[in-house]
Amino acid sequence: QKEVEQDPGPLSVPEGAIVSLNCTYSNSAFQYFMWYRQYSRKGPELLMYTYSSGNKEDGRFTAQVDKSSKYISLFIRDSQPSDSATYLCAMSQTGGGNKLTFGTGTQLKVEL
Amino acid sequence: DTAVSQTPKYLVTQMGNDKSIKCEQNLGHDTMYWYKQDSKKFLKIMFSYNNKELIINETVPNRFSPKSPDKAHLNLHINSLELGDSAVYFCASSQENSPLHFGNGTRLTVT
Repeated sequence: QKEVEQDPGPLSVPEGAIVSLNCTYSNSAFQYFMWYRQYSRKGPELLMYTYSSGNKEDGRFTAQVDKSSKYISLFIRDSQPSDSATYLCAMSQTGGGNKLTFGTGTQLKVEL
Repeated sequence: DTAVSQTPKYLVTQMGNDKSIKCEQNLGHDTMYWYKQDSKKFLKIMFSYNNKELIINETVPNRFSPKSPDKAHLNLHINSLELGDSAVYFCASSQENSPLHFGNGTRLTVT
């Protein structure tokens, strides 16, 4: 079993839909949680960064962390075709040298 | 200006050859990394350097040797390339406990 599990998709939604992306993990030492977006032939770019449990909102994006369930989510409101990309969750632990453990990524397509 | 830049963008080479990938960051970060992304998009850390000192060295064949001449540069040299080395290699940088900033990758194809 991988340390971080993420449904690879692909996930196809109509423009304007609310998208929910999720990851589960097994290592209770993870404290920092991130979502990266990766367009084709590009590097991952940071979308959201949270520490420990709770919610964080940035524009159309909301990240949620539930450490008791070892479950993190990314919600995208009013999805746009430009949101079509692969979304990678990543996490790390304190004192781990900032070593990120990634999920396998969920491929999202937002259709007109 | 690109914050983390890698060269070359594409690299096609034959088995058994030796090749290098270069990375530079202009963010003033202390830590740099090499990650490997396989054909299924899975990203896995290979190495990290903090101020030219190796701090993470995952289970990577010793054919892979990172070199950091200064804290803004981290190069990756690969000896005796094998078919299984074909992947996209990403360089990244960060300050301590801050999110990583990635380059756009070097797509390596070994034939």
